[in-house]
Amino acid sequence: NAGVTQTPKFQVLKTGQSMTLQCAQDMNHNSMYWYRQDPGMGLRLIYYSASEGTTDKGEVPNGYNVSRLNKREFSLRLESAAPSQTSVYFCASRISGDSNQPQHFGDGTRLSIL
Amino acid sequence: AQSVAQPEDQVNVAEGNPLTVKCTYSVSGNPYLFWYVQYPNRGLQFLLKYITGDNLVKGSYGFEAEFNKSQTSFHLKKPSALVSDSALYFCAVRDVYGNKLVFGAGTILRVKS
Repeated sequence: NAGVTQTPKFQVLKTGQSMTLQCAQDMNHNSMYWYRQDPGMGLRLIYYSASEGTTDKGEVPNGYNVSRLNKREFSLRLESAAPSQTSVYFCASRISGDSNQPQHFGDGTRLSIL
Repeated sequence: AQSVAQPEDQVNVAEGNPLTVKCTYSVSGNPYLFWYVQYPNRGLQFLLKYITGDNLVKGSYGFEAEFNKSQTSFHLKKPSALVSDSALYFCAVRDVYGNKLVFGAGTILRVKS
């Protein structure tokens, strides 16, 4: 089982460039999430999608947009990248219906913005 | 709002000794708590959770966690540490609506042989 797959694994951008981070899960999960991880700050939620066709802002949504393309895929877009968006980005998914089920994480996208 | 605190940035322990990674929480309502582990260049992996019931929760890789309602704590423990347990550990609490997790800042565990 692949679980949660994120592409690309690494990316370097210049300030002002745009980019889409891709995430796909093969576990038939309804809920999907995008986080960023910065040293000493844990994981902060950017956006999430409780089910196909819905998206909601998390703690740090500014500068990002998301698309829930279908049940499997949830993409994160940076329209005009800024150095402050240099981070490690994680996608996660969770089965719905039982909110106490754990989230499953991909291995991350390491993004550097110069 | 729900919140989680991990008071130690790093915990050092000798191999074979017991380990504890601390977590305290603040919630409105019943707490639903989780521990995750992150190895270098990998995503987070679920270790265990507390929902209701027994205050001692057993999880993966020999880890357990003790829920203490009066102290609002959910400390992660293991009786005998392994070098391979060295990793970054996150405590998390479920939000009141059940859709999201709120994570602590993480604790680096270093186990030395």
